[in-house]
Amino acid sequence: EAEVAQSPRYKITEKSQAVAFWCDPISGHATLYWYRQILGQGPELLVQFQDESVVDDSQLPKDRFSAERLKGVDSTLKIQPAELGDSAMYLCASSPVTRSYEQYFGPGTRLTVT
Amino acid sequence: AQSVAQPEDQVNVAEGNPLTVKCTYSVSGNPYLFWYVQYPNRGLQFLLKYITGDNLVKGSYGFEAEFNKSQTSFHLKKPSALVSDSALYFCAVRDGTYNTDKLIFGTGTRLQVFP
Repeated sequence: EAEVAQSPRYKITEKSQAVAFWCDPISGHATLYWYRQILGQGPELLVQFQDESVVDDSQLPKDRFSAERLKGVDSTLKIQPAELGDSAMYLCASSPVTRSYEQYFGPGTRLTVT
Repeated sequence: AQSVAQPEDQVNVAEGNPLTVKCTYSVSGNPYLFWYVQYPNRGLQFLLKYITGDNLVKGSYGFEAEFNKSQTSFHLKKPSALVSDSALYFCAVRDGTYNTDKLIFGTGTRLQVFP
């Protein structure tokens, strides 16, 4: 069964350092999402891609966060510089174009900023 | 704005007993509703969805959910709980405004099934 891949699974970084997360969606899924889940809360969308184009990045803190999906397949989410409040689980999800509301989530990257 | 509410932080149930995890929603237009489950340090796993049709929706692992339009609820149910069902459960609604299909999640309900 196809799955969304994410790496690394865990990341510890110091405040003010740069950090990057990678996501490989299910093959053929045109839509890709990055969510942030703070401990004890539900996930919140950071950015949505349709192929290589950004559809929604209204909740992405653009002063420090950036996301790209250059060839419309895999994606990278970057934080520079990291802050203590960025400690969270970063989840990637993908969905097929014909049923874009069906989102399949990867295992997530647990970020700890010290 | 679209939203969902999960009024219980935790639900405790004995193995073999029926379980219910509550969710209410607030949407403009027709709701697309979802339940996901999350095990420790894992991503979210899809359980079931309501888009249209029968109000009783069946999903994975023996779970089902009942859509009630008059009460704006979408409660998750299972006739007989297993210890392995212990996890964090999230209700979600599709935003659907503008061009986004983002999901709006509730705060989650921790289900604890005791042997």
